Amino acid sequence: RKEVEQDPGPFNVPEGATVAFNCTYSNSASQSFFWYRQDCRKEPKLLMSVYSSGNEDGRFTAQLNRASQYISLLIRDSKLSDSATYLCVVRNNNDMRFGAGTRLTVKP
Amino acid sequence: NAGVTQTPKFQVLKTGQSMTLQCAQDMNHEYMSWYRQDPGMGLRLIHYSVGAGITDQGEVPNGYNVSRSTTEDFPLRLLSAAPSQTSVYFCASRDGQNVGYTFGSGTRLTVV
Repeated sequence: RKEVEQDPGPFNVPEGATVAFNCTYSNSASQSFFWYRQDCRKEPKLLMSVYSSGNEDGRFTAQLNRASQYISLLIRDSKLSDSATYLCVVRNNNDMRFGAGTRLTVKP
Repeated sequence: NAGVTQTPKFQVLKTGQSMTLQCAQDMNHEYMSWYRQDPGMGLRLIHYSVGAGITDQGEVPNGYNVSRSTTEDFPLRLLSAAPSQTSVYFCASRDGQNVGYTFGSGTRLTVV
């Protein structure tokens, strides 16, 4: 079993839609959690950290459920520019593990 | 600030050749790591460093060496290239335990 698992998608949604991505992790001692986005043939870029109380940044909302070892990302009012691959990341001490990513395509 | 700089951007090697991928950061970050990214597998940690003079192995260290003589530089050496090392390599740095990584733009390596 992979340490960090994501639905690979692809998710194809129309502009303005709300879309949610899920991620599960296997190490219950994991300490920090993040979402990254990666555009085609580019480096990953930090989208947001994920806190236990949940957190929001504009149209993006991240949730963490430690009991279920589950992380989510909600994107509201999708834009064409949101098309990318979204990576779930979990830190265990000095080791950061990445999920394989969920691909999102937002269509006009 | 330049952030994390990787060179070269592209490289083709013959099986058995050796080379060094360069990585430098100008943000005075303590933590630096090397990842490789292969289709469908996500990023996998090769080696990491928590400060100058300190390195450790990640998930897939075989065939690679690293050193960290300064805070700024963290080169990755391929000892004897193999086709299985064809991949995109990313260097990353971060400042502290609870912050995310900043990535370099990557090196696309092909071993023939």
